[in-house]
Amino acid sequence: SAVISQKPSRDICQRGTSLTIQCQVDSQVTMMFWYRQQPGQSLTLIATANQGSEATYESGFVIDKFPISRPNLTFSTLTVSNMSPEDSSIYLCSGKIGGDTEAFFGQGTRLTVV
Amino acid sequence: AQSVTQPDIHITVSEGASLELRCNYSYGATPYLFWYVQSPGQGLQLLLKYFSGDTLVQGIKGFEAEFKRSQSSFNLRKPSVHWSDAAEYFCAVGGGGNKLTFGTGTQLKVEL
Repeated sequence: SAVISQKPSRDICQRGTSLTIQCQVDSQVTMMFWYRQQPGQSLTLIATANQGSEATYESGFVIDKFPISRPNLTFSTLTVSNMSPEDSSIYLCSGKIGGDTEAFFGQGTRLTVV
Repeated sequence: AQSVTQPDIHITVSEGASLELRCNYSYGATPYLFWYVQSPGQGLQLLLKYFSGDTLVQGIKGFEAEFKRSQSSFNLRKPSVHWSDAAEYFCAVGGGGNKLTFGTGTQLKVEL
């Protein structure tokens, strides 16, 4: 599997501001995903980041709130926009090298909105 | 729709005792199944996976899991737990190239 470097590892942000999270993979991956893990909860998929095109969002998540970029096969960003305390979560990016392979994860970004 | 159920939210075992974490899934086709472990403040690490073939899968750190199609289960086992195994364990299901659906996790506590 490949290695994902995710940053920042944590941040404390004021409500109403935005935070951009970056994921850099050390090799090309066909698929990248962004997940949210709310306190004490499991992982929920936010969207699939598509290289060179708009991300595919899951039900309950919208592009205006969580804009995603994926300019190439090794890099993606997730922005959490106009943050509120309810956005306090761990955000994780994930990648897959191919269809019949496992997903591997970054270390996560622990976001606290005050 | 695919789903995963982990019926045990918390489990406590003594160090050296055996462990079994339960996972039941719902998936419309042949599933790809995974167990991940998350230590505090860390991302997810893959323990093992099942794609096809032998239904008993060996993973890292001495873990194994058995796929039972008739029971829609993929339970994780370890014969002798170590204190360092204390963490949260997630079962996940997905198909080729598709997103993963995770269970709610089982928090494992190991008593010394």
